[in-house]
Amino acid sequence: QTVVTQEPSFSVSPGGTVTLTCGLSSGSVSTSHYPSWYQQTPGQAPRTLIYNTNTRSSGVPDRFSGSIVGNKAALTITGAQADDESDYYCMLYMGSGLRVFGGGTKLTVL
Amino acid sequence: QVQLVESGGGLVKPGGSLRLSCAGSGSSFSVYDMSWIRQAPGKGLEWVSSITRSGSNMYYADSVKGRFSISRDNAKSSLYLQMDSLRAEDTAVYYCGKLYNYAYDSWGQGTLVTVSA
Repeated sequence: QTVVTQEPSFSVSPGGTVTLTCGLSSGSVSTSHYPSWYQQTPGQAPRTLIYNTNTRSSGVPDRFSGSIVGNKAALTITGAQADDESDYYCMLYMGSGLRVFGGGTKLTVL
Repeated sequence: QVQLVESGGGLVKPGGSLRLSCAGSGSSFSVYDMSWIRQAPGKGLEWVSSITRSGSNMYYADSVKGRFSISRDNAKSSLYLQMDSLRAEDTAVYYCGKLYNYAYDSWGQGTLVTVSA
């Protein structure tokens, strides 16, 4: 069974830069997995940040960027702000219509 | 931008059934593949099922295969999830999502399904 891995938690200082990653329990993440990233605050529906590896969704500030780093997808937040404190999820397309979310990363800004 | 509104959640006993609906606004509903995604209390997001724009192909997570059935009515701009043989572990907020470029670019606000005796 495919498991998509994310750091359970991460901390960043205000104004700092953080890179969250999204990997596979077996194998490497590539652009063929069409990685996407979502931000969610408690009690709210997810908000789409990045799709197709590195394309920002409408209205998403350019301090959010997506990439492939090594064998993982990555979400980088540059100049972290207090309201970036959220849960972040990646999703990978596994082919044949199947999709898998990572377990999520809880980002703390302090 | 398509607006999505889920309905149909509620309390159901183990082994019971429930049908969720997702109403989409706008005339472009039929152009996009659609999905259901769920989130158990305090847990992460889980992809549940997807359906192609025409409704001809459906896909399911292993955890719901054989128990859940996704469908759509493009004339009504609506997406459905028929859930049978419900288990306690199906308790979650269920979101519908519109697919664009292999990702979700629109989400509903979610509807809560609670499976409990």
